[in-house]
Amino acid sequence: AQKITQTQPGMFVQEKEAVTLDCTYDTSDQSYGLFWYKQPSSGEMIFLIYQGSYDEQNATEGRYSLNFQKARKSANLVISASQLGDSAMYFCAMREGRLGAAGNKLTFGGGTRVLVKP
Amino acid sequence: DGGITQSPKYLFRKEGQNVTLSCEQNLNHDAMYWYRQDPGQGLRLIYYSQIVNDFQKGDIAEGYSVSREKKESFPLTVTSAQKNPTAFYLCASSIDYWGGRINEQFFGPGTRLTVL
Repeated sequence: AQKITQTQPGMFVQEKEAVTLDCTYDTSDQSYGLFWYKQPSSGEMIFLIYQGSYDEQNATEGRYSLNFQKARKSANLVISASQLGDSAMYFCAMREGRLGAAGNKLTFGGGTRVLVKP
Repeated sequence: DGGITQSPKYLFRKEGQNVTLSCEQNLNHDAMYWYRQDPGQGLRLIYYSQIVNDFQKGDIAEGYSVSREKKESFPLTVTSAQKNPTAFYLCASSIDYWGGRINEQFFGPGTRLTVL
């Protein structure tokens, strides 16, 4: 079974509008962390936002927020007020186990390509 | 500026040749990682190292080898045993094994390997 599933291969969004990128995960661990990364066409991975499994509030970082629904095992990324520079691939990733366990490894989803239209 | 450098940016290899991809970091991070990315797909872990002189296999280690002789360096060798090596290779590091609340991985710019 896939540990991280991103069901939207590609999305168009109008500039200045909000967009939600879906991510569902599968783990039996009680302690885990969820990450979102952005990958522009240059290829480098840029860390956006993090949600710990024990965090009571949804994470926010500027225009990025995470809609964390633990019971449904989903961690959707919301980008508000989209900009042309937001056009990129977006990846959801999970670290299972407590911090430091199993080498701090990440498992990535297949990604969602976002294209912002002017 | 602190960061991760990977070289070369583009690499061409003939079938049957071994090639080594360089990864250097000056972030004083203990842990380092190698990922492979195929077109339109996510990243898959090849190898990781939590400390100097120690490394572990990831999900797709066959046909690859690594070394970790220095904290700053984690080179990846793609051997002739790797049947389909054409891909984008990304190196990453994280602050240390136990520290920090988030402990996110920082990535280099990547190396694009093409087998001719």
